[in-house]
Amino acid sequence: AQSVTQLDSQVPVFEEAPVELRCNYSSSVSVYLFWYVQYPNQGLQLLLKYLSGSTLVESINGFEAEFNKSQTSFHLRKPSVHISDTAEYFCAVSDSSSNYQLIWGAGTKLIIKP
Amino acid sequence: DGGITQSPKYLFRKEGQNVTLSCEQNLNHDAMYWYRQDPGQGLRLIYYSQIVNDFQKGDIAEGYSVSREKKESFPLTVTSAQKNPTAFYLCASSLGQGSQETQYFGPGTRLLVL
Repeated sequence: AQSVTQLDSQVPVFEEAPVELRCNYSSSVSVYLFWYVQYPNQGLQLLLKYLSGSTLVESINGFEAEFNKSQTSFHLRKPSVHISDTAEYFCAVSDSSSNYQLIWGAGTKLIIKP
Repeated sequence: DGGITQSPKYLFRKEGQNVTLSCEQNLNHDAMYWYRQDPGQGLRLIYYSQIVNDFQKGDIAEGYSVSREKKESFPLTVTSAQKNPTAFYLCASSLGQGSQETQYFGPGTRLLVL
């Protein structure tokens, strides 16, 4: 069965430090990959997505993620975090085996230390 | 402004009571979704609808019911059969139900049991 694993439930980092949030998925077919962000007590919003083409995708606020097919990963990175990046980040995958419904990871809380 | 609204923000349920969560969108989206979010578990799909007057069960539909009488509205009823209803409920919509579609989320309703 398809699954999404976010290895870290929480990631504490100092402000202006780099961060990587890890996401691995299990699928043997072509996938579409998403990162969503949830700020405290709010709904989710799309951060970035990979559908096809370049394996490196970027968001408007400095995040990027790289699709690695051989390692079945889609890790999210930012070279320098800001206090406003404090949020929970969710990785999600869809493919034909899930009837194209999104399969969600458990989420990673990014905690920015001043 | 286009978007998704959910009401109420907080909802309290008594033993044996049915409660209904509202979800309205003015994005002219065809597809709508209901998710349940529990700490440390990510999002789980309750029901989804691709078109008016049609809906399908998700992974955890037991104890819930929905209707889709209008394109912009997709209310969720939590019935007394749902024995553990305490959770954060998120409604989402997308232009279509294709695997590449971005889902847009409402602000959520937190349901608590008295």
